[in-house]
Amino acid sequence: QLQLQESGPGLVKPSETLSLTCTVSGGSISSSSYYWGWIRQPPGKGLEWIGSVYYSGNTYYNPSLKSRVIISVDTSKIHFSLKLSSVTAADTALYFCARMRADDTFDIWGQGTVVTVSS
Amino acid sequence: DIQMTQSPSTLSASVGDRVTITCRASQSISSWLAWYQQKPGKAPKLLIYKASSLEYGVPSRFSGSASGTGFTLTISSLQPDDFATYYCQQYNSFPYTFGQGTKLEIK
Repeated sequence: QLQLQESGPGLVKPSETLSLTCTVSGGSISSSSYYWGWIRQPPGKGLEWIGSVYYSGNTYYNPSLKSRVIISVDTSKIHFSLKLSSVTAADTALYFCARMRADDTFDIWGQGTVVTVSS
Repeated sequence: DIQMTQSPSTLSASVGDRVTITCRASQSISSWLAWYQQKPGKAPKLLIYKASSLEYGVPSRFSGSASGTGFTLTISSLQPDDFATYYCQQYNSFPYTFGQGTKLEIK
C-alpha cells in the first residue's frame, strides 16, 4: 500500500534553509486525485499546515509561511520536497508529509522527521 | 484565518466510558471538518471527515456530528487503544487550520 517517508537534515542553523524530501512508495504522485502536503508540529504543540502541491506543480501555501516556503514535485514523480528559508528556533518541529485527498483531508501520513534549528 | 477551538484541553476517562470532545469554528465551515487521532511520536490518523463520515477501517464507536459552527467527536465506549490526543481540522478554506488538541487520559 501507499507509504510516505520524510528525509532530510535533523539540524539546521538559524538563517539557513530547511530542506526535506518526502518519498512516495507503493503509488504515484501523478495521480490526478490527490494533492501532497506538509504539516508540522512544534514540540508539545498542535499541528500547522504548511502547504500542498499537485503533481503538475500547482501549490497552495499557508500565508503565515508563504514568503519563506517552496513546495515542489520532483520530475521523477516519486518525491516531493519542502524548502523553508531563513529559519529560526520557531521552526523547530516534527515535520510530516501527507497525502491530501480530493476532499482535502489528509489520509496517509509519513512517520515524521524532527528538525531542530540551532547553531 | 479560521480559528478552531477545542474543549476540553484534557479529558480524564475510564475504559468503557462515553466521551465527547467539542470543536468550534470562528466562522461557518459548512461540514468541512475532520477529526484525527494522534499518539505520542506518531503521525495523526484520520478518523472522521465531512463532520460525520467515518473513515474506512475506523471502529464504529467513533462518531461525529455538527450543529452550526460547533462539532463533536464522540467515542461511545472507550477502549485502551483510544487514549491519545485528538485534533479537529477545518478544510473549508485556506489556510487549513487545526484545533489545539484534546488529550484523552486514563482516569
